[in-house]
Amino acid sequence: ETGVTQSPTHLIKTRGQQVTLRCSSQSGHNTVSWYQQALGQGPQFIFQYYREEENGRGNFPPRFSGLQFPNYSSELNVNALELDDSALYLCASSAGTGVTDTQYFGPGTRLTVL
Amino acid sequence: AQSVTQLDSQVPVFEEAPVELRCNYSSSVSVYLFWYVQYPNQGLQLLLKYLSGSTLVKSINGFEAEFNKSQTSFHLRKPSVHISDTAEYFCAVTRAAGNKLTFGGGTRVLVKP
Repeated sequence: ETGVTQSPTHLIKTRGQQVTLRCSSQSGHNTVSWYQQALGQGPQFIFQYYREEENGRGNFPPRFSGLQFPNYSSELNVNALELDDSALYLCASSAGTGVTDTQYFGPGTRLTVL
Repeated sequence: AQSVTQLDSQVPVFEEAPVELRCNYSSSVSVYLFWYVQYPNQGLQLLLKYLSGSTLVKSINGFEAEFNKSQTSFHLRKPSVHISDTAEYFCAVTRAAGNKLTFGGGTRVLVKP
């Protein structure tokens, strides 16, 4: 059984560019959640996808968008990058959206915006 | 809205000494509580969780946390730490409706020999 994987590991972009981050969920999981972890802070919830539909969104602007595919892998897209978007982006998968459905995190993608 | 406060950003501790990491939450509804650990250059791993039942919950590697509803706290303790416990620890809450997590700012534990 493979765990949650994310690609790429590191990424450097310039302000105004667009970026796509990818996440492969753990086998048997149908739910993916994305979090942003700025340096020295706790992760902040961006959004969650359940069976290819968005299932809740945190306080992030519309230039943060996502997608979930039929195999339950997911993408996070960020348009018009800003310096403050520099952070570790974490993906977590779970077997469902209930409180008892533990989230399993990937190692993250570190995005640097110059 | 809910929030989580971890009162200590860093906790240095000597090996084999006890450690306590403090976590307080605020919420107008019932919450469920979690502690996650993040080792250097790794993702978050669930350490333990409180959903219902006994207010004292334990992990397999010697950590325990107690849910205190009246004080809105969920402090994490370990009676004797090892060098390998050096990591950042995050307290998190979620509401009854789902598993979207709200995290505290984290506490960095540095275990010294």
